[in-house]
Order: sequence, then C-alpha cells, then structure tokens
Amino acid sequence: KQEVTQIPAALSVPEGENLVLNCSFTDSAIYNLQWFRQDPGKGLTSLLLIQSSQREQTSGRLNASLDKSSGRSTLYIAASQPGDSATYLCAVRGTYNFNKFYFGSGTKLNVKP
Amino acid sequence: GAVVSQHPSRVICKSGTSVKIECRSLDFQATTMFWYRQFPKQSLMLMATSNEGSKATYEQGVEKDKFLINHASLTLSTLTVTSAHPEDSSFYICSARVKIGERTGEEKLFFGSGTQLSVL
Repeated sequence: KQEVTQIPAALSVPEGENLVLNCSFTDSAIYNLQWFRQDPGKGLTSLLLIQSSQREQTSGRLNASLDKSSGRSTLYIAASQPGDSATYLCAVRGTYNFNKFYFGSGTKLNVKP
Repeated sequence: GAVVSQHPSRVICKSGTSVKIECRSLDFQATTMFWYRQFPKQSLMLMATSNEGSKATYEQGVEKDKFLINHASLTLSTLTVTSAHPEDSSFYICSARVKIGERTGEEKLFFGSGTQLSVL
C-alpha cells in the first residue's frame, strides 16, 4: 500500500525567505503527483500537477520537482509572503488504481510578516 | 480551473438526525466524484468513489448504510450521514477528477470547499 509522508509537519519562516517542502512516497509506480494548498476550514486548492514522466512544474513563485525513482517530490516557494501561510498537501495517484489518491498529512506553513 | 461547489459549509445537528451534503460541478460534467473525510491535523481519508448512474464504491471500513452516496446526475453527488453521532463529527470534502489535457490525458483533482459537521 502506498504511504505518503510529508516533512516537516510545521514550518515557520520570516517573510521573504525561500523554502522547501518535502513529500516522499513508498511506491514509485505512480501516475502523477499533485500539490495542494488548504486554508483553515476550507477545501483544497490545486497548485501544481506533475505527471510521472515529468521532472518539474513551475507556476509563479512555486516550483515542484519529482524524482520518481527515489520516491520524492519537493515544493519550492520563492520569496515567501504572509499570504502563503496555509497547510500544503501532496497527493500521489497510483498507476494501478486510477481512483486512488494517497495524501500526505501536510506541512503547516506560517510566514511571519 | 474547474469549480466544485459544496454545501453546506457548516452543519451543527443533534445526535440521531441525518445530514445531507451536496457537491456540484458548476462548469463541467463529473462522472466520478470522491468523498473524503478529514480529522483535525490529519490528512484526507478517502471514504468512497461516487459514480454517476451506478452504486458508489466504498473504502474498507466505511459503512455503506451510514454514509449514503447518490450521484444521480453528471453535476451532482450527495453524501448523507444517516443517524449522525458525535463520532461522525468531522470535515467532509468532495472532489472531482477533471481531464485537463485531451491529448495527454492529464487529469487533476478539484475540491469543494468542505463541510464541517458537528454532531452534538
């Protein structure tokens, strides 16, 4: 069974700092990996989607990388802002069961002004 | 991006009552929707996969008679928590899988805003 782990569980940084969030998964047979943002008491907003054949995806200040062989993905946030404060979740979609998305427990980010 | 609308956003009810949560796809047709449950400071747990026009597929350990799912149209799936009890209090989120690349077949998950259920 696929297991997704996110480290650290919580992170607090001063505004303007660049930071990296980590996501690891145990089964490298993935179809894609998606990064989400969740604000307190809210649903999830999709940030970036990386297909298994891709190495990275970029959107604005966000860059997500994928190393399938080592079972890792990182989300890089450049020049962090207080508005980036949220919980960030990664989700892995398996190759063999298209309806299964395995979620990590998230990294709660606090960007201090 | 695709919009998934979920209502209500918050429900407080007495133990023993039933609660219905709606999930609508506003600008696309969703043949498949997913229902998740999230406990505080934990990740999402898939409860069931809702398929338009057929029975939902439930994950192991999820009671079918407790969590009734109906997906009667291509834009609406509902989750009914029957005879709710305090242990059912949780954050429930629906999502839909949307094809974003016709040529590549890429699909993304889009989520509703969630429903916080509190059973007294």
